[in-house]
Amino acid sequence: AAGVIQSPRHLIKEKRETATLKCYPIPRHDTVYWYQQGPGQDPQFLISFYEKMQSDKGSIPDRFSAQQFSDYHSELNMSSLELGDSALYFCASSLNRENSPLHFGNGTRLTVT
Amino acid sequence: AQSVTQLDSQVPVFEEAPVELRCNYSSSVSVYLFWYVQYPNQGLQLLLKYLSGSTLVKGINGFEAEFNKSQTSFHLRKPSVHISDTAEYFCAVQLNSGTYKYIFGTGTRLKVLA
Repeated sequence: AAGVIQSPRHLIKEKRETATLKCYPIPRHDTVYWYQQGPGQDPQFLISFYEKMQSDKGSIPDRFSAQQFSDYHSELNMSSLELGDSALYFCASSLNRENSPLHFGNGTRLTVT
Repeated sequence: AQSVTQLDSQVPVFEEAPVELRCNYSSSVSVYLFWYVQYPNQGLQLLLKYLSGSTLVKGINGFEAEFNKSQTSFHLRKPSVHISDTAEYFCAVQLNSGTYKYIFGTGTRLKVLA
């Protein structure tokens, strides 16, 4: 069965650089969530989209932005990277917003040096 | 405000022994309940979910959980664990209104010992 695809799997950037993370949800899933997970931490909700509109916003820094495109894929843009941005970034999709479990991708490991 | 509490950050247990991972939640609106498992360097995978109906739900890999509304708990259990069950387990709730936001607990690291 198709799963959530995230690219790239690994990304190394220097401080103050920018990064773009991509997420391709499971076909027919209309909701996308972005999470940030630091080492040994639980996933922290960043932002979500439903039907290409921003649905909810969590602890996403102002330096980050995201959008969901017409084909439902989503991109997380990160600028002025800081060392503290080093983490695993997960994308998850669901069939609809309500009572539908999240399906997670394998994540993008971002390392900022 | 809504919250999910997983009191045990780590649970060591011997192989073939039973295990219970505890989850309590607080919410002013009704919620849906989930357990996810995360293996190293992988995304979270759904173990089981409670949406409505029978309060005892069965999931993959022999896990089950019971929803207790009066105690606002959703504890995860397995009667006999295997080495391969060693992983991080996250309890999560989804609010049944508004933005249908998901809230995760801080996770419980299950370590199965030989």
